[in-house]
Amino acid sequence: KAGVTQTPRYLIKTRGQQVTLSCSPISGHRSVSWYQQTPGQGLQFLFEYFSETQRNKGNFPGRFSGRQFSNSRSEMNVSTLELGDSALYLCASSLAGGNGGYTFGSGTRLTVV
Amino acid sequence: AQTVTQSQPEMSVQEAETVTLSCTYDTSESDYYLFWYKQPPSRQMILVIRQEAYKQQNATENRFSVNFQKAAKSFSLKISDSQLGDAAMYFCAHLGPLGGSSSNTGKLIFGQGTTLQVKP
Repeated sequence: KAGVTQTPRYLIKTRGQQVTLSCSPISGHRSVSWYQQTPGQGLQFLFEYFSETQRNKGNFPGRFSGRQFSNSRSEMNVSTLELGDSALYLCASSLAGGNGGYTFGSGTRLTVV
Repeated sequence: AQTVTQSQPEMSVQEAETVTLSCTYDTSESDYYLFWYKQPPSRQMILVIRQEAYKQQNATENRFSVNFQKAAKSFSLKISDSQLGDAAMYFCAHLGPLGGSSSNTGKLIFGQGTTLQVKP
């Protein structure tokens, strides 16, 4: 079966712009989580969605937002981009809450210039 | 708050040998899940092995096994018969129980990672 698909794979944006990243989970998975990975901070949790509801949110500013659609696909949006937002953004999906292990996508590499 | 610590930034092993990666964690919950993920240069995080805290038996997956010490809050990964394809960054991660505190729902807490080099 198809894995977790993230688009685009690479993105270059200018400071002040906004960006939307997309994640299509494994068919049947209803939980989608997002993580930011940087060399300095490591892997940090952004938010988790289940059945179109945000169940948990990490410690990120309000510029970071997300949503989940009825088909479980998820998007995250970052507005007013800053240089420090440059990172690998990883999406992960699971059936319910991840206790069986989350399956990750290959990520979107965002570079802010 | 939950924390996960990997004290070995880098490890090296000879092909066909055995290596153990260390991980300690801190949590106030009695029920939780622990994972080891592998991230090769391709960037995709791959689940290596999982452990349920209420199970005393250590999990094994082919050449990969864990030593889970609940009282010591330790969760090490042993890779036997190391192969060149095992070279990657390895992350230890903690997940709280389903239906537990809302602040932990669906939230993996990762360690800083250990880069494993496999020498031919």
